[in-house]
Amino acid sequence: GNSVTQMEGPVTLSEEAFLTINCTYTATGYPSLFWYVQYPGEGLQLLLKATKADDKGSNKGFEATYRKETTSFHLEKGSVQVSDSAVYFCALGSGTYKYIFGTGTRLKVLA
Amino acid sequence: DAGVIQSPRHEVTEMGQEVTLRCKPISGHDYLFWYRQTMMRGLELLIYFNNNVPIDDSGMPEDRFSAKMPNASFSTLKIQPSEPRDSAVYFCASWDRGRNTEAFFGQGTRLTVV
Repeated sequence: GNSVTQMEGPVTLSEEAFLTINCTYTATGYPSLFWYVQYPGEGLQLLLKATKADDKGSNKGFEATYRKETTSFHLEKGSVQVSDSAVYFCALGSGTYKYIFGTGTRLKVLA
Repeated sequence: DAGVIQSPRHEVTEMGQEVTLRCKPISGHDYLFWYRQTMMRGLELLIYFNNNVPIDDSGMPEDRFSAKMPNASFSTLKIQPSEPRDSAVYFCASWDRGRNTEAFFGQGTRLTVV
């Protein structure tokens, strides 16, 4: 079946460091891929998305490219800020209209 | 639109009591999802509805859990009787398939069963 695998956290970085959070997926067909962010005490919010192979989603300095050949959708940011501290979820929107989420990666950015 | 609205935000109840969580999806969205989030198991899909009809409830952990969607603007998730291991954050999300945008999440209900 469809699945999403995310790198384990927590990830601790200093402010202005480069961020990569790995995400790989297994799916039949052509799913859409998403990154959601969850700030403390809040629900999940969409950060970015890509709906087909080679699409690049971007928002707030974050980017992720839909790589069909490597079945990956890694999240990157060139320079993180303390305000980016949150839990990040990779998700797959499958043909059965169920969202499948990764386990989440907690990011902590230190000033 | 005010987004997906869940109530209550926090619920503390005693083991054995009935608990009802409520969700108001975004108007016009035809899919509604209930998720449970715990540290141990992450984010789990419990059940989802399409046009008020339950489509897949395979994620519902036990018969103690039930969900209804009597109309397009309201859904409930009920746990009867509740147990301490049900303590978690429960999220509701809604989605408009026709527009093929992302799913929108509510703020969640933090349930503590003591």
